[in-house]
Amino acid sequence: QPVLTQPPSVSAAPGQMVTISCSGSSSNIGNNYVSWYLQLPGTAPKLLIYDNDKRPSGIPDRFSGSRSGTSATLGITGLQTGDEADYYCGTWDSILSAGVFGGGTKLTVL
Amino acid sequence: QVQLVQSGAEVKKPGASVKVSCKASGYTFSNYGITWVRQAPGQGLEWMGWISAYNGNTIYAQKFQGRVTMTTDTSTSIAYMELRSLTSDDTAVYYCARDGQKTGDPCDYWGQGTLVTVSS
Repeated sequence: QPVLTQPPSVSAAPGQMVTISCSGSSSNIGNNYVSWYLQLPGTAPKLLIYDNDKRPSGIPDRFSGSRSGTSATLGITGLQTGDEADYYCGTWDSILSAGVFGGGTKLTVL
Repeated sequence: QVQLVQSGAEVKKPGASVKVSCKASGYTFSNYGITWVRQAPGQGLEWMGWISAYNGNTIYAQKFQGRVTMTTDTSTSIAYMELRSLTSDDTAVYYCARDGQKTGDPCDYWGQGTLVTVSS
């Protein structure tokens, strides 16, 4: 079972907004930076958000990240059909001394 | 531009070993680390371990301790991941990704993935 908990799926209409949650504990999200990754079908993951809320160059500001306590949230506004993908949160776990990921959330743009 | 190019697909028998390579270009290899992540068919991402390309320090997930070895060759900017005693549960796409020198740094560039199939 993944250390971080994400909803298996979310959906919303084009142009709408959606949020994806990632729940952990004090040993991971609570005390370490969170990253978010997007994985389109059949491709490698791509960094979307790092250090909780920072976007790499080239990532549009429609994507945002936040962290509060032991949870993190990815927000996507102005949904497009091209946003349909799997989204993963990831961080470091200080007790496990290992990287950890959420189980992934499949986004469907209806 | 930063690129990580991995070796091709492998088919192995149970009990065998596999060694996947990851050739880096477009940046100073020894200034970063390499993380290895795998993804079983239809499943999520699984963190396997990290190696510093600066000094070769490694951290392995407990699940793979004793069965995995990660190395780097700074002369060729290639990272390697060897997994031994393969079982069908090891059938997965294996990814290398660039990250920083500190644990928990984000993986900002990824290889294209290497499919390893374990089958008798």
